[in-house]
Amino acid sequence: SQQGEEDPQALSIQEGENATMNCSYKTSINNLQWYRQNSGRGLVHLILIRSNEREKHSGRLRVTLDTSKKSSSLLITASRAADTASYFCATDASGAQKLVFGQGTRLTINP
Amino acid sequence: ETGVTQSPTHLIKTRGQQVTLRCSSQSGHNTVSWYQQALGQGPQFIFQYYREEENGRGNFPPRFSGLQFPNYSSELNVNALELDDSALYLCASSSYRNTGELFFGEGSRLTVL
Repeated sequence: SQQGEEDPQALSIQEGENATMNCSYKTSINNLQWYRQNSGRGLVHLILIRSNEREKHSGRLRVTLDTSKKSSSLLITASRAADTASYFCATDASGAQKLVFGQGTRLTINP
Repeated sequence: ETGVTQSPTHLIKTRGQQVTLRCSSQSGHNTVSWYQQALGQGPQFIFQYYREEENGRGNFPPRFSGLQFPNYSSELNVNALELDDSALYLCASSSYRNTGELFFGEGSRLTVL
């Protein structure tokens, strides 16, 4: 079963705009991770945020975590056509690397 | 490139058959996890192997089984295939010494007819 919900399920924006994806989860966590998947291929790790962190940056990515609301957001700034992919959040309850994934957000960047 | 390789990339089986999927983990990684991803869904955890022992299992029946070898490569075996087993099977390697991220292979796409 899936841990939580991702919102929106699909997002289409123009190149250069910012994209924001949200993730909610149900149980307490050790960390939350975001992954990217191109066209049903393997997942690529983007960023990990621990339960005691509130915000993390990596290049054009910004992730926030609100453990009181059991939610996280991923912001991609200055989007590019190459950012077109599905994005998944995944929670790790114990730090044992057994991840529970959301259903994903399909992001389309229009040139 | 994550250094995790999976084979075969695609295969077609019929109901009732058995399948074996293979995974070579990234150098230095001692943990392998398997995930099933149905079309349009997020991956679901099947099980994890650490030092050749099963180290946790998701909500999958016993006909899903696995092995990890001394070189940390791994196999996923599925017996008595059902139509709902059609999915992308993803292998991920990691090390307990790293930050917690998983390194995924490109997957094996199984179609059951």
